[in-house]
Amino acid sequence: GAGVSQTPSNKVTEKGKYVELRCDPISGHTALYWYRQSLGQGPEFLIYFQGTGAADDSGLPNDRFFAVRPEGSVSTLKIQRTERGDSAVYLCASSLMGNRADTQYFGPGTRLTVL
Amino acid sequence: GENVEQHPSTLSVQEGDSAVIKCTYSDSASNYFPWYKQELGKGPQLIIDIRSNVGEKKDQRIAVTLNKTAKHFSLHITETQPEDSAVYFCAARAGTALIFGKGTTLSVSS
Repeated sequence: GAGVSQTPSNKVTEKGKYVELRCDPISGHTALYWYRQSLGQGPEFLIYFQGTGAADDSGLPNDRFFAVRPEGSVSTLKIQRTERGDSAVYLCASSLMGNRADTQYFGPGTRLTVL
Repeated sequence: GENVEQHPSTLSVQEGDSAVIKCTYSDSASNYFPWYKQELGKGPQLIIDIRSNVGEKKDQRIAVTLNKTAKHFSLHITETQPEDSAVYFCAARAGTALIFGKGTTLSVSS
């Protein structure tokens, strides 16, 4: 079946602008995760949704970052007042149940460049 | 919190040789250890995983071993092929999130 999809694949914006990144998880997966991957590094956790609620947002770097999942499926990561340091690949993953030994399947990512 | 160390950062082998990547973790509560392969411009793809109640798991040319006492786990790829060239990440999960190592760039030359 279809995997995790993310749009756009690339986003270039100017410092100070607002951006939204979208994630479509695998159908039926209740858990959704956002990660950020800087060049030459492994993915770093940002936020985890179980259903519609953010169960763990401890990885969000500051209050400029926010994410929603209003209907328990598609999620949007929102970044306000973007900074050059926000440039990275933003990865979304989903898993069936969200328990500790549940496999996470990743999307292709959105490459964000802040000029 | 959990910390995952991964070695080596780069690994070059000849086609047909074996490749071994090692990871250590710090949180004894971690119970799930996946390995991902990431090709340029793509998202990480799960290649194999192991849970804490198992010491070894094998899938064709790929195997993973886990030593919970020593808190380390390893990826073994046998009979490497040029298409195995990619960045490989280990990860550990103790709470909500996966904690990743910094990755190993594997190059297989023919």
